[in-house]
Amino acid sequence: DIQMTQSPSTLSASVRDRVTITCRASQSISSWLAWYQQKPGKAPKLLIYKASSLESGVPSRFSGSGSGTEFTLTISSLQPDDFATYYCQQYNSYSAWTFGQGTKVEIK
Amino acid sequence: EVQLVESGGTLVQPGGSLRLSCAASGFTFSSYWMSWVRQAPGKGLEWVANIKQDGSERYYVDSVKGRFTISRDNAKNSLYLQMNSLRAEDTAVYYCARSRLFVPTPFCYWGQGTLVTVSS
Repeated sequence: DIQMTQSPSTLSASVRDRVTITCRASQSISSWLAWYQQKPGKAPKLLIYKASSLESGVPSRFSGSGSGTEFTLTISSLQPDDFATYYCQQYNSYSAWTFGQGTKVEIK
Repeated sequence: EVQLVESGGTLVQPGGSLRLSCAASGFTFSSYWMSWVRQAPGKGLEWVANIKQDGSERYYVDSVKGRFTISRDNAKNSLYLQMNSLRAEDTAVYYCARSRLFVPTPFCYWGQGTLVTVSS
């Protein structure tokens, strides 16, 4: 199965900071990568699909890039509502989807 | 409005069985792949299983193969997860999720989750 590794595991940042989270796949997944945001006690929310496509209704400060095995999620100017945990997910093969272990974005 | 409402989570003893349900509304249920995703307390997300629109294809994470069965009833707009031989490590919130498109794609709609606790 394809393993997904996110870094860092925890990130401390301030409002208006530019934040970047990295996700690496153990083998090429082309652009079949999604990013989710999850807040405590809530279901995840889809932010980005196909590595760089913004889901409808998601603020434009979120962006995704990458292909193959290395991907990034960038928040251009961190807002108070963005403090949450972020997960990447590969969907290269629909018989075995996997998530990264998560990156918690904390207030500095 | 799309809604996914899970039910059936409870406390169950190791080795026991449980059936989770997910009631869907607000979209044409029979047109979408559906999935179960779980999250152990304080841990990350884990995809558990998915099922094609007509139920002809079903896939599972290795850790539940042979123990869990995903199914659906399109006439009732419902998704199910039959869980047998439950283990402590199956303790988690179980989410029902819908693919973004008619093909297997990321999950754009999620339920609120139902908690399964496996303990003696």
